[in-house]
Amino acid sequence: DSGVTQTPKHLITATGQRVTLRCSPRSGDLSVYWYQQSLDQGLQFLIQYYNGEERAKGNILERFSAQQFPDLHSELNLSSLELGDSALYFCASSAQTLGELFFGEGSRLTVL
Amino acid sequence: KNEVEQSPQNLTAQEGEFITINCSYSVGISALHWLQQHPGGGIVSLFMLSSGKKKHGRLIATINIQEKHSSLHITASHPRDSAVYICAVEDTDKLIFGTGTRLQVFP
Repeated sequence: DSGVTQTPKHLITATGQRVTLRCSPRSGDLSVYWYQQSLDQGLQFLIQYYNGEERAKGNILERFSAQQFPDLHSELNLSSLELGDSALYFCASSAQTLGELFFGEGSRLTVL
Repeated sequence: KNEVEQSPQNLTAQEGEFITINCSYSVGISALHWLQQHPGGGIVSLFMLSSGKKKHGRLIATINIQEKHSSLHITASHPRDSAVYICAVEDTDKLIFGTGTRLQVFP
């Protein structure tokens, strides 16, 4: 058990819809990262938050947004969903900005 | 060309064999991570290193910063080592991932 909790584990929705994925980092970790893993693209970095502030941005679409709350949990919002958004979405946390990463079990999103 | 290249892409081994997975990168990095992804999808961090060598149980990771190359070695491989092994490099504040090496160890 990494100590990182992601919900939901599985989500099936339709094109055009909006979903929110939630991540609770390990106790005491200030950094939260979001990654997308699709079959054709592999793992891709989406966005990082550190202590409530956006720290780094990767290949995150404009339809996606994220935030980190004062209690350090984070949410990834995916809107106007397309079939190609079907993927595993991982959250990871670390004590500082990068360093050893602890991954959640992922949220598997299926867009039909 | 990908910034992080792993080889081989697929690897099969008999139980007990010594295994090496290689990772080459083309960007300047501050550190390199080796991750293990189980068939169920979960990802575990194995190593984070910025120089030299680290060992944890039967796993050894080495990095050569000058040559921009890292290796992950598994000694006395076991079927439970079957997984995808992913190399990732820290480039400023983000990780760039390799495409992974799928390892199957047969009894």
